[in-house]
Amino acid sequence: GAGVSQSPSNKVTEKGKDVELRCDPISGHTALYWYRQRLGQGLEFLIYFQGNSAPDKSGLPSDRFSAERTGESVSTLTIQRTQQEDSAVYLCASSLRTEQFFGPGTRLTVL
Amino acid sequence: GENVEQHPSTLSVQEGDSAVIKCTYSDSASNYFPWYKQELGKRPQLIIDIRSNVGEKKDQRIAVTLNKTAKHFSLHITETQPEDSAVYFCAAYSNDYKLSFGAGTTVTVRA
Repeated sequence: GAGVSQSPSNKVTEKGKDVELRCDPISGHTALYWYRQRLGQGLEFLIYFQGNSAPDKSGLPSDRFSAERTGESVSTLTIQRTQQEDSAVYLCASSLRTEQFFGPGTRLTVL
Repeated sequence: GENVEQHPSTLSVQEGDSAVIKCTYSDSASNYFPWYKQELGKRPQLIIDIRSNVGEKKDQRIAVTLNKTAKHFSLHITETQPEDSAVYFCAAYSNDYKLSFGAGTTVTVRA
């Protein structure tokens, strides 16, 4: 079946612009996660959605970052007024129980 | 929150030799420990996992051990092959939904 998909695969933007990243989870997966992976580094938790419960936003690095998810469907991660340090791969994952399935990521480059 | 430390950060082995990666965790309530493999430019993929009620698990050339008392777990790859070259991440589940990742180990298998 279809896995987790993300779009765009690559995004180049200018410092100060807003960007929106999209994640389509596996159908039926109730949990959705966003991670940030800087070059050569590990996965940094950003936010977690579970069904209709309030999201865990504890990993968002600043108020420039926000994310939404409607029910158990698509999620969008928005970064406002992008900075060069926001350059990274943003990975989305979904799960039904414990195993998380990752999307291919969006590579964000802020010039 | 949970803190996962992973060693070594890089590991170079001769083809056919074994590779061992070690992780420690801080939250004694963590009960699920997956290992992910990430090839260059690809998404992380689960290769093996272990739950806290088990001390060891094997899957062909890969094995994971868990010592709950010491709060550490290890990944063992035997008879390494060039396709084992990748970055490996350990992780621990805390709060029943949040995965905390180690910083990763870059494994290079020399032919």
